Amino acid sequence: SQELEQSPQSLIVQEGKNLTINCTSSKTLYGLYWYKQKYGEGLIFLMMLQKGGEEKSHEKITAKLDEKKQQSSLHITASQPSHAGIYLCGASRGGQGNLIFGKGTKLSVKP
Amino acid sequence: SQTIHQWPATLVQPVGSPLSLECTVEGTSNPNLYWYRQAAGRGLQLLFYSVGIGQISSEVPQNLSASRPQDRQFILSSKKLLLSDSGFYLCAWSAGHGTGVEKLFFGSGTQLSVL
Repeated sequence: SQELEQSPQSLIVQEGKNLTINCTSSKTLYGLYWYKQKYGEGLIFLMMLQKGGEEKSHEKITAKLDEKKQQSSLHITASQPSHAGIYLCGASRGGQGNLIFGKGTKLSVKP
Repeated sequence: SQTIHQWPATLVQPVGSPLSLECTVEGTSNPNLYWYRQAAGRGLQLLFYSVGIGQISSEVPQNLSASRPQDRQFILSSKKLLLSDSGFYLCAWSAGHGTGVEKLFFGSGTQLSVL
């Protein structure tokens, strides 16, 4: 079965620093999603990638999907305390749109 | 615009008691609906999904069940809770285009503690 591995599991960065979170799949990804979660809250959609080599940006967050569509990265530039939370990658599975998720990366940003 | 409501936000239940969590979606019709559970160290696990009224697919064998009595209502139930049922339960919906590539929108979650 398809699994998503995220790395690192947790990350502590100084405010203003850049960081990257990775998501690797054992199978080709047909839709890769990035979500952010504040502790004890629901998931907020960040970005969706479908095509090999695709890259999307929103404010200071950039997500990329590699050409082979088996790895995605999420890059945050000049991190801020508001970026803190848990970042999860999800992948489409099957024809009904249900997603499987990685275990998440917990990001802490020190002011 | 579409909104998703999930309640209660927190719940503390004794072992062996019944459970009913409710989720409703507004502003869309015939959505796909999902129940996920997030347990410490285990990530987000898909429990059930539904593509229509009365249509439920179960992903993980367990003592939980799901029902969809109305188009935009999804209920997660148990007759007798186990300690291992503790976790953070999330309801989600998608537009249900059937393309296999659909964005999910999540509710705010229910933190269930079984004692």
